[in-house]
Amino acid sequence: GNSVTQMEGPVTLSEEAFLTINCTYTATGYPSLFWYVQYPGEGLQLLLKATKADDKGSNKGFEATYRKETTSFHLEKGSVQVSDSAVYFCALRANRDDKIIFGKGTRLHILP
Amino acid sequence: NAGVTQTPKFQVLKTGQSMTLQCAQDMNHEYMSWYRQDPGMGLRLIHYSVGAGITDQGEVPNGYNVSRSTTEDFPLRLLSAAPSQTSVYFCASSLGGASNYGYTFGSGTRLTVV
Repeated sequence: GNSVTQMEGPVTLSEEAFLTINCTYTATGYPSLFWYVQYPGEGLQLLLKATKADDKGSNKGFEATYRKETTSFHLEKGSVQVSDSAVYFCALRANRDDKIIFGKGTRLHILP
Repeated sequence: NAGVTQTPKFQVLKTGQSMTLQCAQDMNHEYMSWYRQDPGMGLRLIHYSVGAGITDQGEVPNGYNVSRSTTEDFPLRLLSAAPSQTSVYFCASSLGGASNYGYTFGSGTRLTVV
């Protein structure tokens, strides 16, 4: 079946460090891929998405590229801020009428 | 535009009590879902609906009921609360079934069963 695997956390970085959170997926067909962010005490918010191979999603300085050859959608940011501290979820939606499948989430701590 | 609204934000129940978690969206979304979030478990799908009058079970449906009489509302009923249902509950909606549609989430209901 379809699935999403993302790196376990927590990930702790200093402010202005480079961030990578790995995400790989298993799916039939050509899924759409998403990154969601959850700030403390809040619901999930869509951060970025990509809907076909080689697409790059970007938002708020975060980027992720849809790599079909490696079935990956790694999240990157060049210089993280304390305000980026949150839980990040990778997700996919494989086909029409399918439900979104989420990874287990990666908690990110940014130290000032 | 309020998006997805969940009430209440916090609730404490005694074992055996029943209650309804409310979810409403004003975006005319077809799809609505209920998830629970527990530490280390990520998000688990309880029930979902692809339109008014249509509901189906997710991966953890036991102990919960849903109905979808209107496009806007998707309440989740706990029939007889148990401590294992202590969790944070999220409602989410999606415009439709196309794979490129993401979900919009509510801010959650934190439920404690004592």
